[in-house]
Amino acid sequence: AQSVTQLGSHVSVSEGALVLLRCNYSSSVPPYLFWYVQYPNQGLQLLLKYTTGATLVKGINGFEAEFKKSETSFHLTKPSAHMSDAAEYFCAVSEGGTASKLTFGTGTRLQVTL
Amino acid sequence: NAGVTQTPKFQVLKTGQSMTLQCAQDMNHNSMYWYRQDPGMGLRLIYYSASEGTTDKGEVPNGYNVSRLNKREFSLRLESAAPSQTSVYFCASSYISNQPQHFGDGTRLSIL
Repeated sequence: AQSVTQLGSHVSVSEGALVLLRCNYSSSVPPYLFWYVQYPNQGLQLLLKYTTGATLVKGINGFEAEFKKSETSFHLTKPSAHMSDAAEYFCAVSEGGTASKLTFGTGTRLQVTL
Repeated sequence: NAGVTQTPKFQVLKTGQSMTLQCAQDMNHNSMYWYRQDPGMGLRLIYYSASEGTTDKGEVPNGYNVSRLNKREFSLRLESAAPSQTSVYFCASSYISNQPQHFGDGTRLSIL
């Protein structure tokens, strides 16, 4: 069975600082991996995805994530945080088959301070 | 560009009442999903429909039923609401099951 662990339910960074949100996964087959962002009172929006190919994936709003198979990780980074990045971020894993489903982590709330 | 539309946006029910949450997508997606979101628990899958005419249970199906009315619409029904079903409910769709999902803005449901 697939699972996702997000380390840190709350992360606080200063504006302009590096953002690092951690995600580790478990999957019995090569996974598809996703990061979603949720702003208050809204649904989830896709930030980026990894399916196959290049392990460094670039997404919207300057975010990127690197798939590291040996570490079973898919951490999300952004070089310089902006106030507008404050939101909740969810990592999700799928086993990739045509009947597969997403399993979500419990989320990390990012706070950006001046 | 409506995407995924959920109705209603807010609802308050009394214990034992029934109601149906509606979801419609206009992206010609084959797969649709219902999730509930509770603090500290992420999103948990209630039911999904991989394609028109099929539905399957997810992680937390008890107390819910679904109907895939056609390719566009996927409804979630609470037959006898319980306080434990107080949550934010999200509908999502994807072209096929292993593709990124697009989410509606949610229905905030309180059961007293």
